[in-house]
Amino acid sequence: GEDVEQSLFLSVREGDSSVINCTYTDSSSTYLYWYKQEPGAGLQLLTYIFSNMDMKQDQRLTVLLNKKDKHLSLRIADTQTGDSAIYFCAERLTGGGADGLTFGKGTHLIIQP
Amino acid sequence: EAGVAQSPRYKIIEKRQSVAFWCNPISGHATLYWYQQILGQGPKLLIQFQNNGVVDDSQLPKDRFSAERLKGVDSTLKIQPAKLEDSAVYLCASSHGTAGETQYFGPGTRLLVL
Repeated sequence: GEDVEQSLFLSVREGDSSVINCTYTDSSSTYLYWYKQEPGAGLQLLTYIFSNMDMKQDQRLTVLLNKKDKHLSLRIADTQTGDSAIYFCAERLTGGGADGLTFGKGTHLIIQP
Repeated sequence: EAGVAQSPRYKIIEKRQSVAFWCNPISGHATLYWYQQILGQGPKLLIQFQNNGVVDDSQLPKDRFSAERLKGVDSTLKIQPAKLEDSAVYLCASSHGTAGETQYFGPGTRLLVL
């Protein structure tokens, strides 16, 4: 079955790097996503990575994928107060028509001044 | 480009009442999804439509939940009768429809069942 695990909280100092980790169980996952959710808001897509990639960088965001360990991480460089939110890791299976996302429970990123 | 629209934003009902949510996807998006997000958890897929046909409703509690997308654009999700455990945020998402296309989420409808 599908299962996505994340730690619930991460606290970092403003200006430091944040690293949010995620593990998934389904080796058939072909796309892996990071979404951001601010209080009272919907989900905002941050970035995604295809399973044949090891790394993807987009401005302050770096995604690392270790397929052997089924481990995904999101690094946010120079963390700012505006980065305070819940970050969700999600996997998506492709093949066939059904391609809904399976989400983790989310990691609350807390920024200390 | 306008995003995914949902209404109402908030709804409070008593248990055993009925409720309906509406979603308007991004223009041109063939695929539409409804997710349920219970407080403290990640979203869980309820149903996926491709145009006006159901692709996946394996996690939809069909004894009380129903959804339709009659003309392949807007969609409604209904709960009848509601239970306390249905209190959640109901998120609608859409994608262009090609395999691997990104899903874009609406702001959600917050439902509280008393």
